[in-house]
Amino acid sequence: DTEVTQTPKHLVMGMTNKKSLKCEQHMGHRAMYWYKQKAKKPPELMFVYSYEKLSINESVPSRFSPECPNSSLLNLHLHALQPEDSALYLCASSPLRGFGQPQHFGDGTRLSIL
Amino acid sequence: SQQGEEDPQALSIQEGENATMNCSYKTSINNLQWYRQNSGRGLVHLILIRSNEREKHSGRLRVTLDTSKKSSSLLITASRAADTASYFCATDAQGGSEKLVFGKGTKLTVNP
Repeated sequence: DTEVTQTPKHLVMGMTNKKSLKCEQHMGHRAMYWYKQKAKKPPELMFVYSYEKLSINESVPSRFSPECPNSSLLNLHLHALQPEDSALYLCASSPLRGFGQPQHFGDGTRLSIL
Repeated sequence: SQQGEEDPQALSIQEGENATMNCSYKTSINNLQWYRQNSGRGLVHLILIRSNEREKHSGRLRVTLDTSKKSSSLLITASRAADTASYFCATDAQGGSEKLVFGKGTKLTVNP
């Protein structure tokens, strides 16, 4: 069992839908991350939150909107996605933001855009 | 790009054998981490080695780092079928953002 919980595990949506991915951790970590992973590729960083504030946005299209309501919860709001956005979306957390911080990953949400 | 390159891309061995995976990167780093990803699951942190360290052990894992060659290796000894997974190295760039950049990964298959 992972200590970072992501819901839902699978999501199928149309290009006009609005949906949200949820990530929760109760390890007291103050840095949280969203990654996108395509099949047979490494994870690519999308966003970093530190102390509930957005600290890194890797030039992600605005159809992806992150939110960090509190230190345990991270959301990714999705709107008007494209078929190429189909991927595994991984959430991770670490004790702090900074160098040398091992990251704890959830099992991801597998997203399919019709 | 800082992205690491693992080799081999795929490795198939028999249970009990040792598995060695290599990672090369392009820029100076502060730390290098290795992660494992089982099929359909998230990544699991295995080991972190700092730029001033040359070797680190954790159970059946041995990691080496050669900063002069900008390369690292992960050795798994006495492999088990449960070690079947993809293995990624991840680096953070010295003087840059602390974000992790993952290599392309090695897919390891351990046959029973």
